[in-house]
Amino acid sequence: DAKTTQPTSMDCAEGRAANLPCNHSTISGNEYVYWYRQIHSQGPQYIIHGLKNNETNEMASLIITEDRKSSTLILPHATLRDTAVYYCIARPGGGADGLTFGKGTHLIIQP
Amino acid sequence: ETGVTQSPTHLIKTRGQQVTLRCSSQSGHNTVSWYQQALGQGPQFIFQYYREEENGRGNFPPRFSGLQFPNYSSELNVNALELDDSALYLCASSLAPGRVGETQYFGPGTRLLVL
Repeated sequence: DAKTTQPTSMDCAEGRAANLPCNHSTISGNEYVYWYRQIHSQGPQYIIHGLKNNETNEMASLIITEDRKSSTLILPHATLRDTAVYYCIARPGGGADGLTFGKGTHLIIQP
Repeated sequence: ETGVTQSPTHLIKTRGQQVTLRCSSQSGHNTVSWYQQALGQGPQFIFQYYREEENGRGNFPPRFSGLQFPNYSSELNVNALELDDSALYLCASSLAPGRVGETQYFGPGTRLLVL
C-alpha cells in the first residue's frame, strides 16, 4: 500500500465544513483511496472510497486531485458527533493484505 | 442487514493463558480480517480468512491463529499471552477478496487486558 501522510490534528467549528487533507504521492494506478474514522474505543467506520473521480455519499465527499497524489475528505456540515480520528488509506482494490492504518488525523469539532 | 458483531466485549487474562475471540460477519460477506489495535495506535492487520482458509497474514507470530466456519463466522486464537497482547481486537468483514473497490466493515471490537 502506498504511504499516506495526514496532519496529526485539526479543529473545526460545528456547522462548518471540515476539510481533511491526505497526501499519497507514491500511489499506484490501481490503488484506491479509502477513508475510515474511529470514534473513541469503537471499531473503525467506513466513510467513502474512490479511484480517480470525485465521490459523494450521505456522509461525505472525496476530492482526488488530477495527479492522484493527494485527496481531501469533506464533511459538509460538521457536528460534535464527527469528532473522531480519520484515517486515509491507499490500497489496491481487493486483495488479501489488510488495510494499512497510519496514525490518522484527530478531528475535533468545537461547539 | 446485520452488521459485524464480536464477542466478548471485554476480557481479562493472565500472562501465559490462551484466549479465543469471536466474530460474526455482516450478512452476505464471506471474508473476515482481524486487526490488533494497541492504545494510541492505528489498527494492525493480523490475518484474513476466505473460504475457511487463511488468505493473507501480517507480521504476527504463529501463536496468533484463526478459523473460519462454513457460515463465515471466525475465531481469533492467541496462545501464550504476553502483556503486549493487551489491545483492542477488531474484526472486519467484506465480500470476496480481489473485488475491485472491496470495502471492509468493522465490528465494535473486543478489548483484551493481559495481566
